Order: sequence, then C-alpha cells, then structure tokens
Amino acid sequence: NAGVTQTPKFQVLKTGQSMTLQCAQDMNHEYMSWYRQDPGMGLRLIHYSVGAGITDQGEVPNGYNVSRSTTEDFPLRLLSAAPSQTSVYFCASSYSSEGNTEAFFGQGTRLTVV
Amino acid sequence: AQKITQTQPGMFVQEKEAVTLDCTYDTSDQSYGLFWYKQPSSGEMIFLIYQGSYDEQNATEGRYSLNFQKARKSANLVISASQLGDSAMYFCAMREGDSGTYKYIFGTGTRLKVLA
Repeated sequence: NAGVTQTPKFQVLKTGQSMTLQCAQDMNHEYMSWYRQDPGMGLRLIHYSVGAGITDQGEVPNGYNVSRSTTEDFPLRLLSAAPSQTSVYFCASSYSSEGNTEAFFGQGTRLTVV
Repeated sequence: AQKITQTQPGMFVQEKEAVTLDCTYDTSDQSYGLFWYKQPSSGEMIFLIYQGSYDEQNATEGRYSLNFQKARKSANLVISASQLGDSAMYFCAMREGDSGTYKYIFGTGTRLKVLA
C-alpha cells in the first residue's frame, strides 16, 4: 500500500532554476494539496485540488504552479526558485471533500535553494 | 485572521504523566472537523484523532483524547500516561465544510518533550 508518494526526498536548486515536485496517491482520493513547512510557521497551504481539472490557491501560492490532469497525480512546479522557497514540502490527500476525513501525507521533500 | 492558534511553542512533561496541548480555532462554518497530527523527528505526519463539529462526545483514541469545547472554540489534545516516544511536534488542524473548499488549515505546532 503506497499511499502518498513524493519525489524527490531531497533537492538542492540554484536561484532561478525551475523544478517539479512530484506527488502521487493510489487511494483514489479526490482532494489533494501541497503545504510548505517552515520553522515557527506550521504548515501553510500552497495550492489544493478538489478533483481532476480543478485547482485553487491556498495561503502562499506565489512562485508555484499546479495542475491536476489525473486523480492520482498533483505535481507542484517552482517556476524560478528563490532562497525564500527553501522549505520542507508536503503533499497530502484525502478520501473525499467532506470535513470528517483525515489527510494522508507524503514523506516530504526537503528543498534548499542556494 | 489566524484560524488555528496553538499558543504553546514548547512543552515538557514527565514520563507517565498526562499533558494537555492547547488549540483554539476560529470559524463561522457550522460544519467543520478538527484534527491532531504528530510529527516525530523523522518528519512524517501521523494522524492522531478527529472531532466533528456535530459530535457531542469528546473523541478518544487510545491514550489520546480531544477536549472539545465548542462554545469556547477550543480543541485541546490530552495525552495520558506520556511515553518517551511521544516526544514530537504536534499540530492542530481544522477543515471547514460549509464553503465547499474543504481546505485543511494548520496551527504553528507545539513541540512536546517527554522527560524520563
């Protein structure tokens, strides 16, 4: 049972480079989201999706793009990396768009931008 | 406005004692869910317990219980009989249901250290 799979686990980028963080889930979850975790800030929502073809912005969307072409995949694109994007990124999914279901998290991606 | 507030950046508790981690929330929705997650030093997010806004009884899961006081908008996590393995970061989260977005909003976390 794979659950939520994030790749890569670690990444170092140079300022200005672009990259895609991959997220895939095999639980047929409708809802998927991306968070970044910074010390003292908790988890802040970047983007989320309530189903294939539907995405929306969260609290800190600037500098990131997402798309949801399939139910399983929800990649996060960094357009032009900046040191302020150094963070740990988590992808999460949940079974439905109802309030009583917990989110399942990937293992996280530790990104450093130099 | 911050929707989830965890006012304790760090807490210490003696092994085998109980500890309460505070969480207050702010929402105008009638339907919402409250969650607690544990993040050990290894980094993964582990779901602990859930409380629905319409649930009249406090949720319990083993040594974890959620002290839900709706009028005060608080959802405190109580860990009974603390163990060394409980040392971790704990996050309170809310999922609002009325708006249709179903976003999970997290607090800033409380770092718990269990002392032997």
